[in-house]
Amino acid sequence: SQTIHQWPATLVQPVGSPLSLECTVEGTSNPNLYWYRQAAGRGLQLLFYSVGIGQISSEVPQNLSASRPQDRQFILSSKKLLLSDSGFYLCAWSLDTNYEQYFGPGTRLTVT
Amino acid sequence: DQQVKQNSPSLSVQEGRISILNCDYTNSMFDYFLWYKKYPAEGPTFLISISSIKDKNEDGRFTVFLNKSAKHLSLHIVPSQPGDSAVYFCAASPLGAGGTSYGKLTFGQGTILTVHP
Repeated sequence: SQTIHQWPATLVQPVGSPLSLECTVEGTSNPNLYWYRQAAGRGLQLLFYSVGIGQISSEVPQNLSASRPQDRQFILSSKKLLLSDSGFYLCAWSLDTNYEQYFGPGTRLTVT
Repeated sequence: DQQVKQNSPSLSVQEGRISILNCDYTNSMFDYFLWYKKYPAEGPTFLISISSIKDKNEDGRFTVFLNKSAKHLSLHIVPSQPGDSAVYFCAASPLGAGGTSYGKLTFGQGTILTVHP
């Protein structure tokens, strides 16, 4: 069966510091991968998605970036965090033939 | 522009009764609809989905209804249980033909369901 891992679970970072969140998927090959953010009291906002290694599409302009160095690894990064980057970050995967997406446990990021 | 709206931020229901969660959308290109359930500090869990060629899909206690003319869908939970207490998100996707098209889920803001014993 497929599993998705995210780490760290929680993170507190000062403004201006860099960020690296990692997501890995097991049990499937060539998944579509996604990064979402849920700000406090709001829905899920799609940030990035990837249909293959090195292929990244950005949905929302911001100071975040994403990379997919391996088939089942998706990384969310920032060079300098802003206060507005605080939120709950979720990684998800799907098969390229299905609409359903399956989410990881999430990372709670607090920028101070 | 909120293309998927869940106008009720919260819903409170007695155990054993029906819970009805509503969702409206504005984009006529949306073709596939999903409901997710989310507990605090966890990722959303896929519940049930429906294609625009159907008006109803049922899975155990969960039934999703789609009214395309009204651009409205609803999730019915019968009977409601205390363990159903969570945030429920509806999501929508445009018609796709593989690859990137399947990634375009747009989520509503969520409805907090509380089921009282």
